[in-house]
Amino acid sequence: KAGVTQTPRYLIKTRGQQVTLSCSPISGHRSVSWYQQTPGQGLQFLFEYFSETQRNKGNFPGRFSGRQFSNSRSEMNVSTLELGDSALYLCASSALDSQNTEAFFGQGTRLTVV
Amino acid sequence: SQQGEEDPQALSIQEGENATMNCSYKTSINNLQWYRQNSGRGLVHLILIRSNEREKHSGRLRVTLDTSKKSSSLLITASRAADTASYFCATDAKRSNDYKLSFGAGTTVTVRA
Repeated sequence: KAGVTQTPRYLIKTRGQQVTLSCSPISGHRSVSWYQQTPGQGLQFLFEYFSETQRNKGNFPGRFSGRQFSNSRSEMNVSTLELGDSALYLCASSALDSQNTEAFFGQGTRLTVV
Repeated sequence: SQQGEEDPQALSIQEGENATMNCSYKTSINNLQWYRQNSGRGLVHLILIRSNEREKHSGRLRVTLDTSKKSSSLLITASRAADTASYFCATDAKRSNDYKLSFGAGTTVTVRA
């Protein structure tokens, strides 16, 4: 069974640009969560999708958005990038929801904003 | 804000020794999970312990949960160089419609050969 796939693995963007990150969950998993990891703030929850519906959202500005498609693949978008958005963005999928079952993480997308 | 807080922040041990790290959390939970992360890569799930369980084992891992103290511990026995990683506890919040995990800051473990 293939694991969680995140693309791209690395990305360099300029302040003010926007970026879209992609996550393909494990086949059959309907829940996809996104996290931002930085040295200063640690792992912060961004949002969670289940069957194309956003069920929960973390405390991030509206520049951070996401969506989930009918095949459970998910994308997150960050608009008007700021230097502070530089981080490792991790996607996790789980069969039901990450509360009750283990979450499987992708390798992450490392975003650098210059 | 983070729900779980790990202690210590960093740990350096000799190969073969045991490593113990603790996690404290603030609100009632359904379960608590431990994850490992190797140098900025994805997280790997280690073990999940439910709120009605007190202890769980998986290979060289032993996890305890004390819901009265809102704390958990992860013990790695007979450590190996490959155990060098950051370890995170993750908790949910025992509220409906709150489908997220809250992670602590992590404990960085270095196993010296």
